[in-house]
Amino acid sequence: EAGVTQSPRYAVLQEGQAVSFWCDPISGHDTLYWYQQPRDQGPQLLVYFRDEAVIDNSQLPSDRFSAVRPKGTNSTLKIQSAKQGDTATYLCASSLTGVTGQLYFGEGSKLTVL
Amino acid sequence: GQQVQQSPASLVLQEGENAELQCNFSSTATRLQWFYQHPGGRLVSLFYNPSGTKHTGRLTSTTVTNERRSSLHISSSQTTDSGTYFCAIERGSNAKLTFGKGTKLSVKS
Repeated sequence: EAGVTQSPRYAVLQEGQAVSFWCDPISGHDTLYWYQQPRDQGPQLLVYFRDEAVIDNSQLPSDRFSAVRPKGTNSTLKIQSAKQGDTATYLCASSLTGVTGQLYFGEGSKLTVL
Repeated sequence: GQQVQQSPASLVLQEGENAELQCNFSSTATRLQWFYQHPGGRLVSLFYNPSGTKHTGRLTSTTVTNERRSSLHISSSQTTDSGTYFCAIERGSNAKLTFGKGTKLSVKS
């Protein structure tokens, strides 16, 4: 069974540039999460979906960050006008509702904003 | 305040020594998980343990729910145990995990 796949693995931007991260969850998983993990810190939830619906995006900086999951499968996280403070690894994870304790993470997309 | 507090922040062991990692949380957790992250690697779930004691290999997790604490015990540590261990809690049934800052473990040969 394929795991959670993310791309690109690395991105280096100048401040003000935009970037998109892509996530392919485990097949059949209805719930998809995006986390931000600054260096030497724990992951912090940005947004999560159940199928194509946004369930919680309260921690997403809405003025520059956006996330979609149009068909309830793959998802894209976009950062517009990146800032140095956005430097972090962006993690995607997926799970199946009703199956407790089974949360699978991708390898992450490491973003550096210069 | 921080909902999930982990201690110690870092730990250095000689191979073969045991380790005890602590997690304290500030509100009732319906679910608690321990994760492992190899340097530069993905997060992997070690235990889903909302209460009681669970074992797998050299790892033991004990959660005392009414005291809002959990521990992860690593026996006979190996260099391959090096990495960061995270505790995460879920409150209610909203499927949102809140992570601690992690314990960075380094096991030297």
